[in-house]
Amino acid sequence: EAQVTQNPRYLITVTGKKLTVTCSQNMNHEYMSWYRQDPGLGLRQIYYSMNVEVTDKGDVPEGYKVSRKEKRNFPLILESPSPNQTSLYFCASSAGTGGQETQYFGPGTRLLVL
Amino acid sequence: QKEVEQNSGPLSVPEGAIASLNCTYSDRGSQSFFWYRQYSGKSPELIMFIYSNGDKEDGRFTAQLNKASQYVSLLIRDSQPSDSATYLCAVISGGGADGLTFGKGTHLIIQP
Repeated sequence: EAQVTQNPRYLITVTGKKLTVTCSQNMNHEYMSWYRQDPGLGLRQIYYSMNVEVTDKGDVPEGYKVSRKEKRNFPLILESPSPNQTSLYFCASSAGTGGQETQYFGPGTRLLVL
Repeated sequence: QKEVEQNSGPLSVPEGAIASLNCTYSDRGSQSFFWYRQYSGKSPELIMFIYSNGDKEDGRFTAQLNKASQYVSLLIRDSQPSDSATYLCAVISGGGADGLTFGKGTHLIIQP
């Protein structure tokens, strides 16, 4: 089954404790992206990657890191989480290198930073 | 700054009627337009995409695009209670490398 998976689905952590949210897709997609969704603010892009070893900042990259060492994986790293990073996070992928194709979303990761 | 605007709602529509959802965008260079449906706490799922001016129909859904007016809409015919969700308009501009810009969504309620 073609899908985007994320782990963990739910996470409670404390300020400053480094964490990684994994994202993996089995569709051989070139383009991958991370979004956060907050009430009243909608979905906002954090980082995106057009291909292996190619990543770039989205609209709200502060406090986040990403890497794209393999085509299928695109982890989101919070080096020192803060309460304002409490949010619902979505990973997405699409076939086109420019993100112009339909994007498929993972199930989401709900993060609470205390 | 690329912007995508939607009325947040809630938009309440009786079952069986036509629901009309609207979206405007600021970047005249936008090329690709998407409608996603999102149930509470779930991930967005694609309903339709449209690239050219005019109408595009898929089952009970019709997307309408007017690039001159920078306006895209989604019509849902014969609305069902299961259509109750938040509908997100998303736009890709220019070369598309920076992905989707989303509107904040319209909350649709279908009243039985």
